[in-house]
Amino acid sequence: NAGVTQTPKFQVLKTGQSMTLQCAQDMNHNSMYWYRQDPGMGLRLIYYSASEGTTDKGEVPNGYNVSRLNKREFSLRLESAAPSQTSVYFCASNREEAFFGQGTRLTVV
Amino acid sequence: ILNVEQSPQSLHVQEGDSTNFTCSFPSSNFYALHWYRWETAKSPEALFVMTLNGDEKKKGRISATLNTKEGYSYLYIKGSQPEDSATYLCAPGGSNYKLTFGKGTLLTVNP
Repeated sequence: NAGVTQTPKFQVLKTGQSMTLQCAQDMNHNSMYWYRQDPGMGLRLIYYSASEGTTDKGEVPNGYNVSRLNKREFSLRLESAAPSQTSVYFCASNREEAFFGQGTRLTVV
Repeated sequence: ILNVEQSPQSLHVQEGDSTNFTCSFPSSNFYALHWYRWETAKSPEALFVMTLNGDEKKKGRISATLNTKEGYSYLYIKGSQPEDSATYLCAPGGSNYKLTFGKGTLLTVNP
């Protein structure tokens, strides 16, 4: 039982490049989330998906897009990366308690 | 945006001390209150999910209480140990399934 799997674990991008962070869960959860972690800011919600086919903005959605491809997968896309998007990104899913992926450390130079 | 306040921001205690911290949240549109433990360089792990006013949950030396009418929850750690050092996060979940975290309380337990 893998839980929540996030890829990649590390990524360095140049300003203006694009990339997609992948997230998949095997727990049949309806709800999935993308967060970013920055020093002193805790976990801030970027986007969430309450069920397959729906997505909603969180606290800090600007510069990001998401796709809920199916019940298992929820991807986060940076169309044109900026240094301000340097962060650690976490994907999570839940029915009651949330389960988190291992995180993606992204650096934009 | 859901205003979630956690206090204190950080806390240093000695091994064996008991401690507690607070999570405050808007009492309207309440659905559930989550507590997570987050160790450095790891992913957050769930401690409790609480839904009923007056609820009290316990896991080993850690317990939590919930007051939905006034919008707060307390997390208690009895007899703190160095391995309890972590950031403790709370997150009220609304009926729209949005899970928004507070900034956390960073606990350091000195041996």
